This record gives sequence, C-alpha cells and structure tokens, in this order.
Amino acid sequence: DTAVSQTPKYLVTQMGNDKSIKCEQNLGHDTMYWYKQDSKKFLKIMFSYNNKELIINETVPNRFSPKSPDKAHLNLHINSLELGDSAVYFCASSQGQVNSPLHFGNGTRLTVT
Amino acid sequence: AQTVTQSQPEMSVQEAETVTLSCTYDTSESDYYLFWYKQPPSRQMILVIRQEAYKQQNATENRFSVNFQKAAKSFSLKISDSQLGDAAMYFCAYRSFTQGGSEKLVFGKGTKLTVNP
Repeated sequence: DTAVSQTPKYLVTQMGNDKSIKCEQNLGHDTMYWYKQDSKKFLKIMFSYNNKELIINETVPNRFSPKSPDKAHLNLHINSLELGDSAVYFCASSQGQVNSPLHFGNGTRLTVT
Repeated sequence: AQTVTQSQPEMSVQEAETVTLSCTYDTSESDYYLFWYKQPPSRQMILVIRQEAYKQQNATENRFSVNFQKAAKSFSLKISDSQLGDAAMYFCAYRSFTQGGSEKLVFGKGTKLTVNP
C-alpha cells in the first residue's frame, strides 16, 4: 500500500563509486521529483519530471542523472560519488497541479566514505 | 525567485499547551499555495496543512491551524493541545501557481519542535 516507495533505505559506499536509487509511486501521479536534504535538514529540489519529461534541473552536477522509464518511476543514478553527496535523498510525486501536495517517499540516506 | 524563511530554528512547548511556528516568504506572485510539512525522527515527510493564497479564510486541520497574512507574506502554524507525537521538524513550503513545468516546492530551513511532558 506504500504510495511512494524508494530503495534502498540506506546506502553506504566509497568515493568514486556509482550508485542508483530507485523510486516508484502507485498514486497515478504525473509528476515526480528528487529532493536532497543536507546535514542541516535543508530540502532542495534537484529534478522534476512530468510524464517522463524532465522539466526542472536545478544546477545539479552532471554526475547526477535521473531516469524516468514511465510516469510511475523516477530513478536517480549518481556517478563518481563524492563526500559532499552524503545526504538524504527524497523522491516525491504529485498530480502536477499546483494545489496538489507532494507525497514523499521515506528517503534514502546516502553515506559516502 | 521565491524564498521561505523560518526564523525559529528550535521551539519547545509543554504537553497540552499551544505553540506557534513562524514562516515568512518572499514572492511577487499573487496566486500560490503554502504548505506545512512535518518530519518526525522517522524521516518521513508528512503534510500537515495547506493554504490557497486566494482564500482569506485560514485553513484548519484538527489541532493545527494557520494564520495567513497575505499582505505581510506571513504563514504561521499554530498547534493546539500539543502532544508528544507532535515533536518533529516542521517545514514551511511555497508552491507557485504557474502551470506548465516550472512549479516546484520551495522549503524553509525548518523549525525543530520539542514537546515536553
């Protein structure tokens, strides 16, 4: 019954590695997002997809590449991980109407050592 | 660009008392939406309440209510009869009314609420 699910919940990896985080929503929403929450709890949007089309890319390094195979999935692939990438990454979805609230996944805590 | 400011990094309240969390925002738009999200230690982001800017009436959801002052660009959250389960980070967020792809949710930096028994 989970509305927005992302995996894994925790990810520990070394600098230089490549990793992916998967996200799926079963709400029938047409818009999905990736947010990054830093160590000070600040939430900042990274990407937004509407019906598989990238509509927001907030000056995120090219090492981050989102992929949306269909409107129910939005995965995040990160190349050449750096220490500064350590954060909690949240996937979210909404209906794409501005009054529609975002529904968030439970987050993926990424730790780069 | 829109910005959201939460001036209280931390707040505390006694159980059963009332607390108000502050939020101000900066925008040149006339139509937009405002939200309060709660993030307990479990890390989950939970929608608490939302307000449409074109509505003068303040939104309420059970023990949660807002004081929306559009001219002052202020959107405070009042929690009545505070419960231990209300302890969490609270985020104020702004969402633009503009359709067509540039909409996004902009968050404040959060207020950590502690509820004392």
